[in-house]
Amino acid sequence: NAGVTQTPKFQVLKTGQSMTLQCAQDMNHNSMYWYRQDPGMGLRLIYYSASEGTTDKGEVPNGYNVSRLNKREFSLRLESAAPSQTSVYFCASRHMTGTGDTYEQYFGPGTRLTVT
Amino acid sequence: GNSVTQMEGPVTLSEEAFLTINCTYTATGYPSLFWYVQYPGEGLQLLLKATKADDKGSNKGFEATYRKETTSFHLEKGSVQVSDSAVYFCALSVGRRALTFGSGTRLQVQP
Repeated sequence: NAGVTQTPKFQVLKTGQSMTLQCAQDMNHNSMYWYRQDPGMGLRLIYYSASEGTTDKGEVPNGYNVSRLNKREFSLRLESAAPSQTSVYFCASRHMTGTGDTYEQYFGPGTRLTVT
Repeated sequence: GNSVTQMEGPVTLSEEAFLTINCTYTATGYPSLFWYVQYPGEGLQLLLKATKADDKGSNKGFEATYRKETTSFHLEKGSVQVSDSAVYFCALSVGRRALTFGSGTRLQVQP
């Protein structure tokens, strides 16, 4: 049971390049999330997927797109990277049902992205 | 909207000192409250949680009590160790919404 996995761990991009951050979970959770972490600002929600087939914007969605490929996988795409997107990106998952929700989110190890 | 406010860091303590990290929140609805810990180079791990007023969450010697009247969830530990050095995040969740995080407090424990 690997929990939440993310690839890559590190990435350096030039301004204007594109890339996709991958996330997968093996806990059969139905909700998945992408956050970015910047110094002094905690974690801010970029996008989330409450269940397979649905995605919604979070607090800071501009410049990003997401795909919920299946129940396990939730990817984050930067179409044209900008220096302001230099950050650490965390994927998380959570089990949400009509009753007996699991409240806590489980986090991956993060992807450290630098855009020059 | 929902928000979480934590005390600014870094907090620097000597080993075996008493720790308090303050956390207050505003929320629409009835939140669940969490403390997460992030060790250097790692993701966030759940430290403890409380889902209703007056609940006390505890784990690894850390404790926090859900105080609805003061909208607070302060983290405490009676005797910190060097291995407790990390960044601590207070967070809340209302119903099925994603977690809202505070800005984090860095704890440095010196031998």
